[in-house]
Amino acid sequence: EAQVTQNPRYLITVTGKKLTVTCSQNMNHEYMSWYRQDPGLGLRQIYYSMNVEVTDKGDVPEGYKVSRKEKRNFPLILESPSPNQTSLYFCASSGTGNANTGELFFGEGSRLTVL
Amino acid sequence: ILNVEQSPQSLHVQEGDSTNFTCSFPSSNFYALHWYRWETAKSPEALFVMTLNGDEKKKGRISATLNTKEGYSYLYIKGSQPEDSATYLCAPNNNDMRFGAGTRLTVKP
Repeated sequence: EAQVTQNPRYLITVTGKKLTVTCSQNMNHEYMSWYRQDPGLGLRQIYYSMNVEVTDKGDVPEGYKVSRKEKRNFPLILESPSPNQTSLYFCASSGTGNANTGELFFGEGSRLTVL
Repeated sequence: ILNVEQSPQSLHVQEGDSTNFTCSFPSSNFYALHWYRWETAKSPEALFVMTLNGDEKKKGRISATLNTKEGYSYLYIKGSQPEDSATYLCAPNNNDMRFGAGTRLTVKP
C-alpha cells in the first residue's frame, strides 16, 4: 500500500530535549516536505527536499533541521524544542516529472507538545 | 515567498445550498494549482491538480476552474452535503508547495 508514515504520532516532551520525527514514504517520490499546522494559520511549510541531499527552507524553518540521505526518508529534527514548537506536524511527498501530477500524499500527522 | 490567499476564511451553508470559494496566487512562474480537502482529524487529500489556463476539473458535485493570467481559482460545490464539511486548501506549485490558510466549510443538515 502506498503511504507516508510518520513517527511518533503523539509526543509530549520538555523544553530542550532533542527529538526527531521520522517520515518515510514507499512511493519512490523525489519531493518531500514538512508542514506544521496551528489554529488559524493553515499549513505552513518548514523545510522541503527536491531529492536526495537537496533540502531547502520553507516559510518557518527556525528551530528545525532536516536531512535527506535516502530517497524514502526525511526526518525532522528539533535540536532544542521550545513551547512555541507545540503543533501538529505533517510530512508529505510527491513524484515529480511528466509522469506525475505533483499531488502531495500526506502522513497521518504527529502531534507534538513541548512543556 | 509565494503569497496565496483564500477567501472566505470560513463559510456556513445549509444542506442543499451551492457554494464557492476563491484561491488567489501570483500569476508569475506558475506551474500548477492544487486543491486539497482536509477533514478534521484526518490528513489533507488531493482533490484537483490544474495546470492550464481555463482548465476546469470536476469530481462529483465538486468542480474547480483556473485562471492563470489573473492568478485565481474557484472551487464550487453543488448541493452541499454535511459530509462536505472540511477545510479546503489550495497550493500553487512552483517547485515547492505553499498552502493558503484554507476555507473552512460547515454544512448544516
